[in-house]
Amino acid sequence: DTGVSQNPRHKITKRGQNVTFRCDPISEHNRLYWYRQTLGQGPEFLTYFQNEAQLEKSRLLSDRFSAERPKGSFSTLEIQRTEQGDSAMYLCASSLGQGGPEAFFGQGTRLTVV
Amino acid sequence: ILNVEQSPQSLHVQEGDSTNFTCSFPSSNFYALHWYRWETAKSPEALFVMTLNGDEKKKGRISATLNTKEGYSYLYIKGSQPEDSATYLCAFINAGNNRKLIWGLGTSLAVNP
Repeated sequence: DTGVSQNPRHKITKRGQNVTFRCDPISEHNRLYWYRQTLGQGPEFLTYFQNEAQLEKSRLLSDRFSAERPKGSFSTLEIQRTEQGDSAMYLCASSLGQGGPEAFFGQGTRLTVV
Repeated sequence: ILNVEQSPQSLHVQEGDSTNFTCSFPSSNFYALHWYRWETAKSPEALFVMTLNGDEKKKGRISATLNTKEGYSYLYIKGSQPEDSATYLCAFINAGNNRKLIWGLGTSLAVNP
């Protein structure tokens, strides 16, 4: 296992289209986090899962965002009816346990909405 | 609302200078504090996981201290090198059943050769 994997690395989409990103965490990690990072900012929390259960979703997220982790392994983040303000780097991280050991990050998916 | 603040927001130093930055976090409900290093075009990489008041951790020229009673952690870089240029992020983890990482906005360090 080489770490957290995210696909695609880059996505350019037209405004109004739906996009879906995938995150494959480190295999034994039960916690999975999604973050969004815009230029000049630190990671902004979006949501996280403990196994297949989505435990928290940021209030900053509109209803256009949804995330799933159906079997407690990989996760998908979908954005419906994309807007230009959704353009950002979307990062996934996984950790073993409840925030004790460090989180390991994927390389992110760069979304550009035109 | 749990808030994590980092200062300064950015820092420019000359090669060979030593430097330090601060992460402030809620002193109550503490579980752990993480430091990450984030280089441009790469994903954040964990530097330290700190859990006990008074902890001091060291990795090469980089070290960190933790004061959970007053709610701060310092990151020190001794003899900065251009390859140290990155954003340094801290993340606070709250105690309780619903733990999660709460991030600061980072300190952007630029080391000039």
